[in-house]
Amino acid sequence: DGGITQSPKYLFRKEGQNVTLSCEQNLNHDAMYWYRQDPGQGLRLIYYSQIVNDFQKGDIAEGYSVSREKKESFPLTVTSAQKNPTAFYLCASSIGGPGTEAFFGQGTRLTVV
Amino acid sequence: QKEVEQNSGPLSVPEGAIASLNCTYSDRGSQSFFWYRQYSGKSPELIMFIYSNGDKEDGRFTAQLNKASQYVSLLIRDSQPSDSATYLCAVNMINAGNMLTFGGGTRLMVKP
Repeated sequence: DGGITQSPKYLFRKEGQNVTLSCEQNLNHDAMYWYRQDPGQGLRLIYYSQIVNDFQKGDIAEGYSVSREKKESFPLTVTSAQKNPTAFYLCASSIGGPGTEAFFGQGTRLTVV
Repeated sequence: QKEVEQNSGPLSVPEGAIASLNCTYSDRGSQSFFWYRQYSGKSPELIMFIYSNGDKEDGRFTAQLNKASQYVSLLIRDSQPSDSATYLCAVNMINAGNMLTFGGGTRLMVKP
């Protein structure tokens, strides 16, 4: 079945630690995105990528980094510079690029311990 | 002013009634409008999209768009308890690189 797979589902981070969230899609979509959702809030864009080896900062990129070495994969690293990383992280992809319908993975819930 | 605004709710309707969810947006150049449903603890699921003024129907769902008033709505007919979720409105923002901008969502509660 085609879809977007995020792992892990739950992740715990210690203070000062970097952690990487995985996102893989087999929909053959060119564009991929990372969003952050805080309780009771909408989605805020962290990073997006329209093609391999190219990505752009979103509204809240500070403290995060990404790579896009393969079309199928768009991992997100939450660095120690992100002071408030506890949130629900959502990876999405779209076939038509920004402004077109996006489909989401099941999300990763990150908690700082 | 937020770029995409929704009433956070909760909007409570009885089972079988029509639920009306509303969304306003700030960018007059926006062309693409999406409604997502998000169950608690889950990821958003696309349920409707609309590009042209007027109504678009899909089963029990109708999306309504009025670009002159910068207003998009979602009607859910014959509401069921399984429709209880948060509904997110998303709009492409031309003045933000055509990226989708999401509203904060409206929580809908359908009571049996």
